[in-house]
Amino acid sequence: SAVISQKPSRDICQRGTSLTIQCQVDSQVTMMFWYRQQPGQSLTLIATANQGSEATYESGFVIDKFPISRPNLTFSTLTVSNMSPEDSSIYLCSVYQGNEQFFGPGTRLTVL
Amino acid sequence: AQSVAQPEDQVNVAEGNPLTVKCTYSVSGNPYLFWYVQYPNRGLQFLLKYITGDNLVKGSYGFEAEFNKSQTSFHLKKPSALVSDSALYFCAVREIRRRALTFGSGTRLQVQP
Repeated sequence: SAVISQKPSRDICQRGTSLTIQCQVDSQVTMMFWYRQQPGQSLTLIATANQGSEATYESGFVIDKFPISRPNLTFSTLTVSNMSPEDSSIYLCSVYQGNEQFFGPGTRLTVL
Repeated sequence: AQSVAQPEDQVNVAEGNPLTVKCTYSVSGNPYLFWYVQYPNRGLQFLLKYITGDNLVKGSYGFEAEFNKSQTSFHLKKPSALVSDSALYFCAVREIRRRALTFGSGTRLQVQP
């Protein structure tokens, strides 16, 4: 099974700033996903990130707000840009491997 | 588009009693179905999945789920609940062609001693 780490584990940020979240996987994977879990809510897919191509964003999410990089098969970053308090959420990285989906521990973001 | 419904926001059960957490789904084609559990301040943990084969799937921590194609359901069950089972449970579905998961709204399970 894939082991996923995320940095930072949590952060408190001021509105208008940006935060980049890193996701590292211990094995090479083709597809990586970024999810958001707003307080008391379910998980919502932000985008799918494939190495060597632009990320595919879900309805309601745009590249200018959530730019994603996927430089290789074990790493990805998600940036939350121009943050507002509504962006306060847990952001989770996920990978698909062997008919299973594995999740990172999440990054808990609070925007003041 | 694929979707998942968890009709109960919360389920309360006494320790030692059987528990059921309900899930229904909607997909085109055959579904891949999953249950995950989330404990406070911890990540999402995989419990079990249905891909194909036997409709009764056994997973971690004594949980099992029954796939019912005619009712498009995938209810999570456990014969005897533990207080430590208290957590947030998510049902999820994936269409074969689409690798990402669609999650239900979650059900909070509260097991009383």
